[in-house]
Amino acid sequence: ETGVTQSPTHLIKTRGQQVTLRCSSQSGHNTVSWYQQALGQGPQFIFQYYREEENGRGNFPPRFSGLQFPNYSSELNVNALELDDSALYLCASSPGTGRADTQYFGPGTRLTVL
Amino acid sequence: KQEVTQIPAALSVPEGENLVLNCSFTDSAIYNLQWFRQDPGKGLTSLLLIQSSQREQTSGRLNASLDKSSGRSTLYIAASQPGDSATYLCAVLDSNYQLIWGAGTKLIIKP
Repeated sequence: ETGVTQSPTHLIKTRGQQVTLRCSSQSGHNTVSWYQQALGQGPQFIFQYYREEENGRGNFPPRFSGLQFPNYSSELNVNALELDDSALYLCASSPGTGRADTQYFGPGTRLTVL
Repeated sequence: KQEVTQIPAALSVPEGENLVLNCSFTDSAIYNLQWFRQDPGKGLTSLLLIQSSQREQTSGRLNASLDKSSGRSTLYIAASQPGDSATYLCAVLDSNYQLIWGAGTKLIIKP
């Protein structure tokens, strides 16, 4: 177990809705990263937060946004859901700036958009 | 643009065999390369991390090598066991400090 938890485990939404996914990092880990993993593919980097500030972003549109809180929890928000947003969403925490640190992954949230 | 490819996409072998999983990447400007294991419903577990200046790393029955100049890494699993069944992914940390992932190799070890 990595000590990183995510909720909910599974979620079903319809196109156009908004969704919030949650992650609880290991205590003391100041960096959290979020990834999207489509079925049969490797994860794609969405963005990273360090001490509550965005610290890097992948090739995802602005309707993907995030928050990180002082209590080592974080959120991924997706607005105007599209069918292609159906995927496993993974968060990972790391102790330092996260740039070259080992990342500890949560079990993921499976999002289905109908 | 960095691209990571894993071959084969799936592999099924009898228990006890030694096996090799392959990973290739297109841009040698990487900070490190990692091998992960993914089990259904359990997220990703880091197996081995090789810094760009290193040639290999070992952990138990696992050995990973890195040839940065040719853009290749291999994960060697000795004396495979049914519990090794999982999807194995490799990822490189690129020059923008982003992890770029392969699509994985699904490994099945038959008892």
